[in-house]
Amino acid sequence: KQEVTQIPAALSVPEGENLVLNCSFTDSAIYNLQWFRQDPGKGLTSLLLIQSSQREQTSGRLNASLDKSSGRSTLYIAASQPGDSATYLCAVRKGTYKYIFGTGTRLKVLA
Amino acid sequence: EAQVTQNPRYLITVTGKKLTVTCSQNMNHEYMSWYRQDPGLGLRQIYYSMNVEVTDKGDVPEGYKVSRKEKRNFPLILESPSPNQTSLYFCASSLAGTGEYGYTFGSGTRLTVV
Repeated sequence: KQEVTQIPAALSVPEGENLVLNCSFTDSAIYNLQWFRQDPGKGLTSLLLIQSSQREQTSGRLNASLDKSSGRSTLYIAASQPGDSATYLCAVRKGTYKYIFGTGTRLKVLA
Repeated sequence: EAQVTQNPRYLITVTGKKLTVTCSQNMNHEYMSWYRQDPGLGLRQIYYSMNVEVTDKGDVPEGYKVSRKEKRNFPLILESPSPNQTSLYFCASSLAGTGEYGYTFGSGTRLTVV
């Protein structure tokens, strides 16, 4: 059974720091992996989608990497800002019709 | 604007009173899905639909029903809600169910059953 783990559950950093969020999954047979951002009480916003054949994707200050063989993905946020404060979720596409979500990392960037 | 629209955003109801949460997408997506989000448990899939008239159970389908009579709509029905169905619900859609595409999420419906 696929399990997705995100550690740490919560993280506080001062503004301007570069930071890395981690996502681990137990079964490497995935179609893709997606990173989402969730603001309190709101829906999920897609940040980056990495196909199983790709190693990384970049969007602005965000860079996501995927290492299928080790069952890991990282989300790198450069020069963090208070507006980056949110919960970050990763999800793996396992099988044709299913996404399995991690429980998220709650990030707080202090001004 | 391409989006997934859920209604209502907030709902408080009493045990046993049937309710429907609507979900509509304007992107001509084939695949739609419902999730519930609970503290410490993350998002768990309730039901999904691969296309019109094609639905299947996710990980936590008990107490829920769905229908897909039109491509754009995928309502979630609670025939007899119970307090353990108090949760934050999300509808999501994707271009196809074949794994190449990511998800677009609705803004969520916060349901409280008393």
